[in-house]
Amino acid sequence: EAQVTQNPRYLITVTGKKLTVTCSQNMNHEYMSWYRQDPGLGLRQIYYSMNVEVTDKGDVPEGYKVSRKEKRNFPLILESPSPNQTSLYFCASRGTSNTEAFFGQGTRLTVV
Amino acid sequence: GEDVEQSLFLSVREGDSSVINCTYTDSSSTYLYWYKQEPGAGLQLLTYIFSNMDMKQDQRLTVLLNKKDKHLSLRIADTQTGDSAIYFCAETYGNNRLAFGKGNQVVVIP
Repeated sequence: EAQVTQNPRYLITVTGKKLTVTCSQNMNHEYMSWYRQDPGLGLRQIYYSMNVEVTDKGDVPEGYKVSRKEKRNFPLILESPSPNQTSLYFCASRGTSNTEAFFGQGTRLTVV
Repeated sequence: GEDVEQSLFLSVREGDSSVINCTYTDSSSTYLYWYKQEPGAGLQLLTYIFSNMDMKQDQRLTVLLNKKDKHLSLRIADTQTGDSAIYFCAETYGNNRLAFGKGNQVVVIP
């Protein structure tokens, strides 16, 4: 089954404690991206990757890092989380010739 | 990023039609999309329209595209309770990126 898998689904952490949210896709898609969803703001892109070892900043990259060492994985790293990063995060993937973006189930992060 | 505008809330009676509107900014967008987000879930592609089309019909869904005004709409005929969700329009721009609107919450009243 074609899918994008994020882990964990829910996470509560404390300010400053490094964390990683994993994302994996099984569709051999070139394009992957991370979004955060906040009430009244819709989805905003954090980072995206056009292919292995190619990453670029989205609209709200501050406080986040990503890596793309393998095609299937695109982890989101928060080196020093802060409360304003409390949000719902989505990973998505898409093929270069595919019109549809596939989304993970989301990770609800709370930073206290 | 690109600016995609949507109104925020719509309530509709079961069986009626619902119409959600969206305006976008990038006139070079190749595709425009409607995504549906059910509670506690990720986004799922509902339908899309290629930029050289004016209209696309897919069962109960009708998408209208007005390129001159950069306006996209989604009409859901015979709205069902399972249609209650948040609906996002999105456009492609730049390096195959997607810009999303803020979403429109649709509540279907039985």
